[in-house]
Amino acid sequence: DVKVTQSSRYLVKRTGEKVFLECVQDMDHENMFWYRQDPGLGLRLIYFSYDVKMKEKGDIPEGYSVSREKKERFSLILESASTNQTSMYLCASSKAGWTEAFFGQGTRLTVV
Amino acid sequence: GDSVTQMEGPVTLSEEAFLTINCTYTATGYPSLFWYVQYPGEGLQLLLKATKADDKGSNKGFEATYRKETTSFHLEKGSVQVSDSAVYFCALKTGGGNKLTFGTGTQLKVEL
Repeated sequence: DVKVTQSSRYLVKRTGEKVFLECVQDMDHENMFWYRQDPGLGLRLIYFSYDVKMKEKGDIPEGYSVSREKKERFSLILESASTNQTSMYLCASSKAGWTEAFFGQGTRLTVV
Repeated sequence: GDSVTQMEGPVTLSEEAFLTINCTYTATGYPSLFWYVQYPGEGLQLLLKATKADDKGSNKGFEATYRKETTSFHLEKGSVQVSDSAVYFCALKTGGGNKLTFGTGTQLKVEL
C-alpha cells in the first residue's frame, strides 16, 4: 500500500514559535506538496517540490517555507507562527507526469 | 486562472437515495478531472478520475463523466449508504502542470 505519513495528527503551538511539520512518503515519488485546508475555501497549495532541494511557491506561500533534503521527506516550516495559520495541513505526493496524488492524514495545527 | 466550482453543502440524504454533486470548471487547455473523498478525521483519497473528454470515471458505485461542452464533472451515485458520509472535493490538473486545483468541498450526510 502506498503511504504518505505526517508526523503529527494534532499540534498546539504558541504565537511566534517556529513550527516544523514533517511528511514522509515511501513510494519514491518525485513530487511532494503541502496544502492548507480551511472550511469554505477548500484546499490551497502552499508549496510544492519536484525534486530534492527544488521547490516552487504555490498560491499562498507567505509565512511559510519548505525543505526537501531527501527525496522521501518534505518539511513545512512556519517561521513565526500566527493565529491565522491555525488550520488543517495536508501533505501529498505523486510521480513525475502524474495523474494521481496520494495524501497523508493531515495535521491539525492550532496556534494560540 | 484555473478554478473549480462545487455545489454548496451540506447535502443531507436518506439511505438509498440518489446522489448528485455538481462540479464545473474553468481551465486553460485540457485538464484531467478528479473527485477526492475525505472521511471524518482522515486525509483525502482519490475516488475517481477522468483524463479526457467523454471519459467516465467510476469507483465504489460512484460515477462522473467528463463533459467538455458543459465544462462539468458531476458526481453521481444511484443509492447512497450511511458509510458514504464524507466531504467530496472536485479537482483539476492541467496538462503539464504540477498543481491540483480544488473546489471548496461538499459535505454529504446520509441518514438512516
